[in-house]
Amino acid sequence: AQSVSQHNHHVILSEAASLELGCNYSYGGTVNLFWYVQYPGQHLQLLLKYFSGDPLVKGIKGFEAEFIKSKFSFNLRKPSVQWSDTAEYFCAVNLYNFNKFYFGSGTKLNVKP
Amino acid sequence: GAGVSQSPSNKVTEKGKDVELRCDPISGHTALYWYRQSLGQGLEFLIYFQGNSAPDKSGLPSDRFSAERTGGSVSTLTIQRTQQEDSAVYLCASSLNRRETQYFGPGTRLLVL
Repeated sequence: AQSVSQHNHHVILSEAASLELGCNYSYGGTVNLFWYVQYPGQHLQLLLKYFSGDPLVKGIKGFEAEFIKSKFSFNLRKPSVQWSDTAEYFCAVNLYNFNKFYFGSGTKLNVKP
Repeated sequence: GAGVSQSPSNKVTEKGKDVELRCDPISGHTALYWYRQSLGQGLEFLIYFQGNSAPDKSGLPSDRFSAERTGGSVSTLTIQRTQQEDSAVYLCASSLNRRETQYFGPGTRLLVL
């Protein structure tokens, strides 16, 4: 079965620290990749997505992610986090030409002011 | 404009009862997804609707689960003979089409006693 792994379940950082959240998936074919974020009390919303082209994708609020096909990874990064980045982050994979989306179990990020 | 809405926001039911959950997608969005999020887990894909095409039901966990989408707009997810393991947050999302950004609703928190 296909799966998406987010190894960090809970990350605590101080403001201005750099962030990298890991995401690995198990499917060997063509994939579309996503990072979603859920701020406290809000709905899930898209941070960024990758379909094809440049493997380094830039999203909203200074986030970026790099698709490394050989490592089946799509890690999320931000050079300097802010307190407002406190949220839960979900990685998701959609197999090309399929409708099903696979989500990771999420990483809760807590940024201390 | 209005986002995706879901009702009820919370539902408590007794084991064995049927429940119906509603999703109002964003107007004009042809794609609609249902997901389930159990405590501490990622989102689990349940079903996908695209326009008037037959839905992709590949994620429904059992035949107690069914969904319909009337007139290409409102969708209802029905769970028959609910079990305690059905307790979860049920999320609905819509998008312009399958490759576009999914917009999530607030979810329905279901508790089966």
